[in-house]
Amino acid sequence: TQLLEQSPQFLSIQEGENLTVYCNSSSVFSSLQWYRQEPGEGPVLLVTVVTGGEVKKLKRLTFQFGDARKDSSLHITAAQPGDTGLYLCAGSPYSGYALNFGKGTSLLVTP
Amino acid sequence: DTGVSQDPRHKITKRGQNVTFRCDPISEHNRLYWYRQTLGQGPEFLTYFQNEAQLEKSRLLSDRFSAERPKGSFSTLEIQRTEQGDSAMYLCASSLPSKAELFFGEGSRLTVL
Repeated sequence: TQLLEQSPQFLSIQEGENLTVYCNSSSVFSSLQWYRQEPGEGPVLLVTVVTGGEVKKLKRLTFQFGDARKDSSLHITAAQPGDTGLYLCAGSPYSGYALNFGKGTSLLVTP
Repeated sequence: DTGVSQDPRHKITKRGQNVTFRCDPISEHNRLYWYRQTLGQGPEFLTYFQNEAQLEKSRLLSDRFSAERPKGSFSTLEIQRTEQGDSAMYLCASSLPSKAELFFGEGSRLTVL
C-alpha cells in the first residue's frame, strides 16, 4: 500500500481566510485526485491531476501536482462556510487497481 | 437519479449476525470498488471488480467478508459473524474503463452492538 500523508489533520478558520492543505507520499503516482466529503455522505471528486507540475483551478480552489508526482497541494482562497468538509487526496498506483486515500484534512470555516 | 446507489443506508445489528450490503453502480461503469471508512480515517480499499471478475482484494478483507458481482452489474458485500470492529461506513464506487476517477455512493453505515 502506498501511503499518503495529509496535513494538517484539522483546520478551523474564519470566512475570508486563505488556506493550503498538503498531500505527501514517498511513492510516485500515475495521477492524483482530490475529493471532498461531507458527514454521512460519500466522497465527491473535485479534480484529477496527471502531469508533474500541473496546476488546475476550480473557482477559488487551486490544485498543484508536484514535479516528481509524489505530492500535491490544495489552496483555497477566501474560504466560505460552504467549503467546510473533509478533503481527501487519493493516488492511482502504476500497478494494481486500488485508489489509495490519505486520512484527510477536516476543514471548518466559520462565518 | 443515475448515480451510485447503496442499500441499506444504515444497518444496526448484534454481534455474530450476518449482514449484506448492495451497490448499484452507474450503468455504463464496468469497474466497481468497495471501501471501508471509520471515523477520522480516509476510505480503505477492500476489493475491486472489473465486470464480474474480482481482480483485487485487500488483506483487510478477512474470511468473514465476501463480495460478489454476479452479472457485472450490481454488487453485494456480505459480512458473516459480525464483530464490533466491523462498525464502519461501507462505501461503494464505480468508474469508467481506464479512468481513475471514482464516483461514490452515499455509503452504508454499519453499527455492530
